[in-house]
Amino acid sequence: GDSVTQMEGPVTLSEEAFLTINCTYTATGYPSLFWYVQYPGEGLQLLLKATKADDKGSNKGFEATYRKETTSFHLEKGSVQVSDSAVYFCALSGIDYKLSFGAGTTVTVRA
Amino acid sequence: DVKVTQSSRYLVKRTGEKVFLECVQDMDHENMFWYRQDPGLGLRLIYFSYDVKMKEKGDIPEGYSVSREKKERFSLILESASTNQTSMYLCASGKRSGVSPEAFFGQGTRLTVV
Repeated sequence: GDSVTQMEGPVTLSEEAFLTINCTYTATGYPSLFWYVQYPGEGLQLLLKATKADDKGSNKGFEATYRKETTSFHLEKGSVQVSDSAVYFCALSGIDYKLSFGAGTTVTVRA
Repeated sequence: DVKVTQSSRYLVKRTGEKVFLECVQDMDHENMFWYRQDPGLGLRLIYFSYDVKMKEKGDIPEGYSVSREKKERFSLILESASTNQTSMYLCASGKRSGVSPEAFFGQGTRLTVV
């Protein structure tokens, strides 16, 4: 079945550092790919998405590109802030409507 | 704005009780999902539904059942609650397909089984 594997954390960075969180997937057909974020004490919210190969999703300075050849959807941000401290989840939606998540990566940004 | 509402933020139940967790969405979404979130394990799919009266098992359906009698409502049932079902339960809804296939989440229900 479909599955998502993402980089395990926790990740600790200094402000203005570059952030990358790796995500790879296994799926039948052409899934849609997502990054969700969960800030402390809050629910999950969509950060960005890509629905076909080579699409680039972007939001709040974060970017991720749907790479079909490497089955990847890595999340990047060039300069993180303390307010980016959160848990980040990679997810995919496959042909059977199932929405599958990775295990989550906890990111802490220090001032 | 899409709204996914879970009936309770916090619940405490006794072992062996039958527990109902309710979820309602207001955007006419076809798909609805129930997950549990545990530290270090991420989100694990319990059940999902892509239409009224339709249900599909997720990755960890054992000990749970679901009901979807109306499009806007998706209920998770713990037939006989056990302490290992203490967890955060998250409901989500989304369109079946199209340009916006993402899911929207409720605030979660933290269930403690004692």
